[in-house]
Amino acid sequence: AQSVTQLGSHVSVSEGALVLLRCNYSSSVPPYLFWYVQYPNQGLQLLLKYTTGATLVKGINGFEAEFKKSETSFHLTKPSAHMSDAAEYFCAVTHIFSSNTGKLIFGQGTTLQVKP
Amino acid sequence: GAGVSQSPSNKVTEKGKDVELRCDPISGHTALYWYRQSLGQGLEFLIYFQGNSAPDKSGLPSDRFSAERTGGSVSTLTIQRTQQEDSAVYLCASSPGRAPLHGETQYFGPGTRLLVL
Repeated sequence: AQSVTQLGSHVSVSEGALVLLRCNYSSSVPPYLFWYVQYPNQGLQLLLKYTTGATLVKGINGFEAEFKKSETSFHLTKPSAHMSDAAEYFCAVTHIFSSNTGKLIFGQGTTLQVKP
Repeated sequence: GAGVSQSPSNKVTEKGKDVELRCDPISGHTALYWYRQSLGQGLEFLIYFQGNSAPDKSGLPSDRFSAERTGGSVSTLTIQRTQQEDSAVYLCASSPGRAPLHGETQYFGPGTRLLVL
C-alpha cells in the first residue's frame, strides 16, 4: 500500500530564509509525486509534480522538489521565503497501478509560518 | 477560464438530516474526484468518476455516502442521516481524463464546509 509521511506538522521560517518541507513516501512501484498548497478557505493548488524524467522539478512561485528514489523522498524547497508563502502544504502520491484512477494519497500536511 | 465550482460553500445541518453537495468540474474534464478533509483524518479520497466507466467508490466511509454524476458533468455527493463525524470540508477535483490519469494535474474547487450539529 502507498503512504506519504510529512515530517513536521508546523514549520516556521523567517522571511528571506530557506524553506524546506519534508516528504517521504512508501510505494512498491514507481510513484508519481505531487506538492499542493492550500491557502486559508481555498482549495488545493498544484505547486509541482514528478511523473517521469528529470528528478529535479521546478514549480510555481519559486518552489522546487527533487525525487530521490534511494531515500524515498520528495522534499520541497524554496531559497527565500516570502510572507505570501504562509499556507498549508500537502505532499501526495499516486502510481500507474492505482486501479487506473489517479486517486491521490495525501500526507498529513505541513503548515508553513513565515515571520517578518 | 472557469475553475471547479462547489456549492454550497458552507452547510450547517442537524444530526440525522440528509445533505447534498454539488460540484461543477472544469468544462471538458472527464475525470472527477471527491475528497474529504477533516482534522482527524486529513485529506482522504472518497470517490472517482471517469466518463461512462463504473465509478471507484472504494473511499466512501459508509453506505450513508453516495454520489452520482449526471451527463458526465455535474456531480452530487449525498450524505444520508448525517452524523457529527461527517463534519469536514468536502473537496471536488477534476482533471482532463486522458490516459494515463496518474500524472494528470487535479484541479480543486474551494470546497464545501459541512458542520453537523
